[in-house]
Amino acid sequence: RKEVEQDPGPFNVPEGATVAFNCTYSNSASQSFFWYRQDCRKEPKLLMSVYSSGNEDGRFTAQLNRASQYISLLIRDSKLSDSATYLCVVTLSGSARQLTFGSGTQLTVLP
Amino acid sequence: DAGVIQSPRHEVTEMGQEVTLRCKPISGHDYLFWYRQTMMRGLELLIYFNNNVPIDDSGMPEDRFSAKMPNASFSTLKIQPSEPRDSAVYFCASSLVVGNDYGYTFGSGTRLTVV
Repeated sequence: RKEVEQDPGPFNVPEGATVAFNCTYSNSASQSFFWYRQDCRKEPKLLMSVYSSGNEDGRFTAQLNRASQYISLLIRDSKLSDSATYLCVVTLSGSARQLTFGSGTQLTVLP
Repeated sequence: DAGVIQSPRHEVTEMGQEVTLRCKPISGHDYLFWYRQTMMRGLELLIYFNNNVPIDDSGMPEDRFSAKMPNASFSTLKIQPSEPRDSAVYFCASSLVVGNDYGYTFGSGTRLTVV
């Protein structure tokens, strides 16, 4: 079983739509959670951290359910510029600082 | 801030040749990571350093791969001899951990093609 699992998509949605991505992780000791965005042929970039209480950044809302080991990302009023691959990322606490990436969910926002 | 700088951006080499990828982390960052990305396997951690010391190299695929960090501002990933299955995008990332803020920054990557 992969450590971080995501629906690969692709998700093709019209501009203005709301889209949700889900992610599950296998290691219950995981402590920190993130969503990264990767544009085609570019490097991954941090989109937002995910906190237990849930957090929002403009049109983006991230939620964490530790009991179910589940992370979600909601994008409201999607824009053409949101087209990218969204990577779910987890890391363990302690001395291990490396990020473990999901395989990503591809989003295309259509005009 | 110039960010994480990787070179070369693209590398095409013949099977059996030695390949050296280079990375300059962000000044002051104390962690450096090498990742490999392929369509089949996604982003995989190869090795990471803390204060120039290799901490975990369990992701290095085999003895053909080696990585060094001789000082805080430079790291190399070497493949010798290279094989077609090594074709991938290799990313270097650096990080300064402050509390739960991991401050991870990736370089633009090196796209390696082994023919």
